[in-house]
Amino acid sequence: DVKVTQSSRYLVKRTGEKVFLECVQDMDHENMFWYRQDPGLGLRLIYFSYDVKMKEKGDIPEGYSVSREKKERFSLILESASTNQTSMYLCASSLPTRGEQYFGPGTRLTVT
Amino acid sequence: ILNVEQSPQSLHVQEGDSTNFTCSFPSSNFYALHWYRWETAKSPEALFVMTLNGDEKKKGRISATLNTKEGYSYLYIKGSQPEDSATYLCAFIENNDMRFGAGTRLTVKP
Repeated sequence: DVKVTQSSRYLVKRTGEKVFLECVQDMDHENMFWYRQDPGLGLRLIYFSYDVKMKEKGDIPEGYSVSREKKERFSLILESASTNQTSMYLCASSLPTRGEQYFGPGTRLTVT
Repeated sequence: ILNVEQSPQSLHVQEGDSTNFTCSFPSSNFYALHWYRWETAKSPEALFVMTLNGDEKKKGRISATLNTKEGYSYLYIKGSQPEDSATYLCAFIENNDMRFGAGTRLTVKP
Protein backbone atom coordinates (compact mmCIF):
# COMPACT_ATOMS: atom_id res chain seq x y z
CA ASP A 1 0.00 0.00 0.00
CA VAL A 2 1.12 3.50 -0.86
CA LYS A 3 2.12 5.45 2.21
CA VAL A 4 2.90 9.08 2.93
CA THR A 5 3.58 9.98 6.53
CA GLN A 6 4.00 13.34 8.24
CA SER A 7 5.93 13.83 11.43
CA SER A 8 3.14 15.37 13.51
CA ARG A 9 -0.65 15.53 13.35
CA TYR A 10 -0.85 18.57 15.63
CA LEU A 11 1.77 21.16 16.45
CA VAL A 12 1.67 24.34 18.51
CA LYS A 13 4.53 26.80 18.15
CA ARG A 14 5.24 30.34 19.26
CA THR A 15 5.74 33.31 16.96
CA GLY A 16 9.34 33.53 15.84
CA GLU A 17 10.17 29.86 16.36
CA LYS A 18 11.77 27.81 13.61
CA VAL A 19 9.45 24.97 12.63
CA PHE A 20 10.24 21.78 10.73
CA LEU A 21 7.54 19.68 9.12
CA GLU A 22 8.74 16.33 7.83
CA CYS A 23 7.20 14.17 5.14
CA VAL A 24 8.27 10.67 4.15
CA GLN A 25 6.95 8.52 1.30
CA ASP A 26 7.72 4.86 0.69
CA MET A 27 6.70 4.65 -2.98
CA ASP A 28 9.93 5.77 -4.65
CA HIS A 29 8.10 8.76 -6.13
CA GLU A 30 10.18 11.45 -7.78
CA ASN A 31 7.76 14.28 -7.11
CA MET A 32 6.80 15.64 -3.72
CA PHE A 33 4.64 18.61 -2.76
CA TRP A 34 3.78 20.78 0.22
CA TYR A 35 0.36 22.44 0.42
CA ARG A 36 -1.50 24.44 2.96
CA GLN A 37 -5.26 24.30 3.31
CA ASP A 38 -7.30 27.15 4.69
CA PRO A 39 -11.10 27.37 4.85
CA GLY A 40 -12.63 28.50 1.57
CA LEU A 41 -9.29 28.57 -0.24
CA GLY A 42 -8.66 24.97 -1.16
CA LEU A 43 -5.19 23.50 -1.31
CA ARG A 44 -2.50 26.02 -2.18
CA LEU A 45 0.91 24.85 -3.32
CA ILE A 46 3.84 26.13 -1.28
CA TYR A 47 6.76 24.24 -2.85
CA PHE A 48 7.35 21.11 -4.84
CA SER A 49 10.34 18.99 -5.69
CA TYR A 50 10.82 16.76 -8.73
CA ASP A 51 14.13 15.23 -7.65
CA VAL A 52 16.61 15.09 -4.82
CA LYS A 53 18.03 18.55 -4.07
CA MET A 54 15.66 20.12 -6.62
CA LYS A 55 12.87 22.47 -5.59
CA GLU A 56 10.41 24.81 -7.25
CA LYS A 57 8.31 27.56 -5.73
CA GLY A 58 4.58 27.14 -5.78
CA ASP A 59 1.96 29.82 -5.41
CA ILE A 60 2.71 30.90 -1.84
CA PRO A 61 6.40 30.26 -1.00
CA GLU A 62 6.94 33.40 1.08
CA GLY A 63 7.97 32.60 4.64
CA TYR A 64 8.78 28.98 3.82
CA SER A 65 11.75 26.97 2.61
CA VAL A 66 12.16 23.30 1.80
CA SER A 67 14.80 20.62 1.82
CA ARG A 68 15.07 17.37 -0.09
CA GLU A 69 18.28 15.54 0.70
CA LYS A 70 16.86 12.06 0.12
CA LYS A 71 14.28 10.90 -2.39
CA GLU A 72 11.82 9.70 0.24
CA ARG A 73 11.93 12.77 2.48
CA PHE A 74 10.72 16.31 1.87
CA SER A 75 10.89 18.86 4.66
CA LEU A 76 9.05 22.15 4.99
CA ILE A 77 10.73 24.81 7.11
CA LEU A 78 9.19 27.89 8.62
CA GLU A 79 12.23 30.02 9.41
CA SER A 80 10.36 32.32 11.81
CA ALA A 81 6.79 31.21 12.39
CA SER A 82 4.07 33.83 12.29
CA THR A 83 0.41 33.67 13.27
CA ASN A 84 -0.69 33.86 9.63
CA GLN A 85 1.03 30.52 9.09
CA THR A 86 -1.50 28.80 11.32
CA SER A 87 -2.99 26.27 8.93
CA MET A 88 -3.33 22.64 7.90
CA TYR A 89 -0.23 21.49 6.01
CA LEU A 90 -0.44 18.56 3.63
CA CYS A 91 2.37 16.70 1.94
CA ALA A 92 1.85 14.69 -1.23
CA SER A 93 3.86 12.63 -3.69
CA SER A 94 3.32 11.41 -7.21
CA LEU A 95 5.09 9.61 -10.04
CA PRO A 96 4.68 11.91 -13.04
CA THR A 97 4.09 15.57 -12.16
CA ARG A 98 0.54 15.46 -13.46
CA GLY A 99 -0.36 12.03 -12.07
CA GLU A 100 -2.63 11.44 -9.14
CA GLN A 101 -1.19 12.57 -5.86
CA TYR A 102 -0.93 10.54 -2.68
CA PHE A 103 -1.40 12.60 0.44
CA GLY A 104 -0.19 12.39 3.99
CA PRO A 105 -2.62 12.82 6.90
CA GLY A 106 -1.79 16.49 7.38
CA THR A 107 -0.26 18.54 10.17
CA ARG A 108 -2.43 21.11 11.87
CA LEU A 109 -0.05 23.87 12.92
CA THR A 110 -1.07 26.59 15.34
CA VAL A 111 1.25 29.54 15.83
CA THR A 112 0.49 31.58 18.93
CA ILE B 1 -3.57 32.15 -13.04
CA LEU B 2 -5.64 29.01 -13.27
CA ASN B 3 -9.09 29.54 -11.83
CA VAL B 4 -10.79 26.38 -10.60
CA GLU B 5 -14.24 26.89 -9.14
CA GLN B 6 -16.29 24.32 -7.28
CA SER B 7 -19.96 24.64 -6.48
CA PRO B 8 -21.73 24.47 -4.21
CA GLN B 9 -19.36 25.23 -1.37
CA SER B 10 -21.36 22.93 0.92
CA LEU B 11 -24.27 20.59 0.61
CA HIS B 12 -26.52 18.83 3.12
CA VAL B 13 -28.58 15.89 1.88
CA GLN B 14 -30.60 13.09 3.41
CA GLU B 15 -29.46 9.48 3.25
CA GLY B 16 -30.69 7.97 0.02
CA ASP B 17 -30.73 11.24 -1.92
CA SER B 18 -28.73 11.50 -5.10
CA THR B 19 -26.58 14.57 -5.50
CA ASN B 20 -24.12 16.21 -7.82
CA PHE B 21 -21.64 19.04 -7.78
CA THR B 22 -19.54 20.92 -10.27
CA CYS B 23 -15.94 21.74 -10.98
CA SER B 24 -15.31 24.54 -13.52
CA PHE B 25 -11.93 25.19 -15.05
CA PRO B 26 -10.34 27.09 -17.95
CA SER B 27 -11.13 25.28 -21.18
CA SER B 28 -7.80 25.98 -22.88
CA ASN B 29 -4.62 23.89 -22.52
CA PHE B 30 -6.39 21.09 -20.69
CA TYR B 31 -4.26 18.14 -19.66
CA ALA B 32 -6.15 16.31 -16.90
CA LEU B 33 -8.70 16.68 -14.15
CA HIS B 34 -8.57 14.83 -10.84
CA TRP B 35 -11.29 14.29 -8.25
CA TYR B 36 -10.31 13.61 -4.63
CA ARG B 37 -12.34 12.72 -1.58
CA TRP B 38 -11.16 14.09 1.76
CA GLU B 39 -12.80 12.60 4.83
CA THR B 40 -12.35 14.26 8.19
CA ALA B 41 -9.18 13.13 9.98
CA LYS B 42 -7.99 11.23 6.90
CA SER B 43 -5.81 11.99 3.88
CA PRO B 44 -7.34 13.11 0.59
CA GLU B 45 -7.67 10.12 -1.74
CA ALA B 46 -7.91 10.16 -5.50
CA LEU B 47 -11.30 9.12 -6.89
CA PHE B 48 -10.86 9.71 -10.60
CA VAL B 49 -8.23 10.86 -13.06
CA MET B 50 -9.90 12.15 -16.21
CA THR B 51 -8.05 13.08 -19.36
CA LEU B 52 -10.36 12.92 -22.37
CA ASN B 53 -13.30 15.08 -23.35
CA GLY B 54 -16.45 13.05 -22.80
CA ASP B 55 -14.78 10.79 -20.21
CA GLU B 56 -17.15 9.11 -17.82
CA LYS B 57 -15.75 7.30 -14.81
CA LYS B 58 -17.55 5.26 -12.19
CA LYS B 59 -16.63 3.79 -8.83
CA GLY B 60 -19.55 2.17 -7.06
CA ARG B 61 -22.23 4.80 -6.50
CA ILE B 62 -19.95 7.66 -7.51
CA SER B 63 -19.44 8.75 -11.09
CA ALA B 64 -17.93 11.71 -12.91
CA THR B 65 -18.19 13.26 -16.33
CA LEU B 66 -15.86 15.62 -18.14
CA ASN B 67 -16.46 18.34 -20.73
CA THR B 68 -13.14 19.93 -21.67
CA LYS B 69 -14.61 22.13 -24.42
CA GLU B 70 -16.85 24.01 -22.02
CA GLY B 71 -14.59 23.55 -19.01
CA TYR B 72 -16.53 21.58 -16.42
CA SER B 73 -16.75 18.24 -14.68
CA TYR B 74 -19.65 16.86 -12.68
CA LEU B 75 -19.39 14.44 -9.78
CA TYR B 76 -22.53 12.42 -9.05
CA ILE B 77 -23.34 10.36 -5.99
CA LYS B 78 -26.30 8.03 -6.28
CA GLY B 79 -28.17 7.09 -3.10
CA SER B 80 -25.94 9.05 -0.71
CA GLN B 81 -24.86 7.33 2.49
CA PRO B 82 -23.51 8.90 5.70
CA GLU B 83 -20.06 7.49 4.87
CA ASP B 84 -20.05 9.67 1.74
CA SER B 85 -19.78 12.72 3.99
CA ALA B 86 -16.50 14.38 3.02
CA THR B 87 -15.01 17.28 1.14
CA TYR B 88 -14.71 16.60 -2.57
CA LEU B 89 -11.85 18.38 -4.29
CA CYS B 90 -11.16 18.74 -7.96
CA ALA B 91 -7.74 19.56 -9.39
CA PHE B 92 -7.14 20.92 -12.87
CA ILE B 93 -3.83 20.20 -14.57
CA GLU B 94 -2.46 22.33 -17.39
CA ASN B 95 1.08 21.65 -18.63
CA ASN B 96 3.02 21.35 -15.40
CA ASP B 97 0.66 23.42 -13.31
CA MET B 98 -1.87 21.78 -10.99
CA ARG B 99 -4.54 23.86 -9.28
CA PHE B 100 -7.10 22.68 -6.71
CA GLY B 101 -10.58 24.04 -6.24
CA ALA B 102 -11.78 25.03 -2.77
CA GLY B 103 -13.89 21.88 -2.52
CA THR B 104 -17.51 20.95 -1.91
CA ARG B 105 -18.26 19.82 1.62
CA LEU B 106 -20.96 17.14 1.57
CA THR B 107 -22.87 16.12 4.70
CA VAL B 108 -25.25 13.17 4.45
CA LYS B 109 -27.74 12.97 7.29
CA PRO B 110 -29.02 9.52 8.32
